[in-house]
Amino acid sequence: NAGVTQTPKFQVLKTGQSMTLQCAQDMNHEYMSWYRQDPGMGLRLIHYSVGAGITDQGEVPNGYNVSRSTTEDFPLRLLSAAPSQTSVYFCASSTPGHLYEQYFGPGTRLTVT
Amino acid sequence: AQSVAQPEDQVNVAEGNPLTVKCTYSVSGNPYLFWYVQYPNRGLQFLLKYITGDNLVKGSYGFEAEFNKSQTSFHLKKPSALVSDSALYFCAVRDKAGTASKLTFGTGTRLQVTL
Repeated sequence: NAGVTQTPKFQVLKTGQSMTLQCAQDMNHEYMSWYRQDPGMGLRLIHYSVGAGITDQGEVPNGYNVSRSTTEDFPLRLLSAAPSQTSVYFCASSTPGHLYEQYFGPGTRLTVT
Repeated sequence: AQSVAQPEDQVNVAEGNPLTVKCTYSVSGNPYLFWYVQYPNRGLQFLLKYITGDNLVKGSYGFEAEFNKSQTSFHLKKPSALVSDSALYFCAVRDKAGTASKLTFGTGTRLQVTL
């Protein structure tokens, strides 16, 4: 199993540009999440999904959209990039139920100039 | 709202000495607690979790954590540190009513183990 994969690894955008961060998992996990990691702030939840067709907002959803058309994929879209969205983005997945831990992808480092 | 505090930005310890990385939490109801480790330029890796039962939880790479309900703490420990343990450690919490997707993370503690 590849686990959780993310592309690209690095990206530089200009303010106002849009892009999609890709996330895929091959573990048949129903739950998937997107986090951003900023220095001194830990990881903050952006959006999450409990299954195909079902998404919900996390702690910091503004400026981001998600969709979940398949169990495997959970792309994160930046609609109009801003310097405040410069961060490292992590995708995670897990088995349903409270007992299970999340598996994280390697991350995407995004810089918005 | 649930929250996690990691009061130390960095912990320094000599190789072979015991280490402790502190974590306190706040949730309504019973907590599910997790420790993750992040090596440079990598994603987070699961170390251990407390769901219920024995207050001392054993995890990967010789790490363990002690759940203390009265002090609302979940400190990470290892009896003998290795240089290879140097990394960023995150404590996370989820309340029993929350979904598996909604973890709340602490700000992280950098562990530096020196020879």
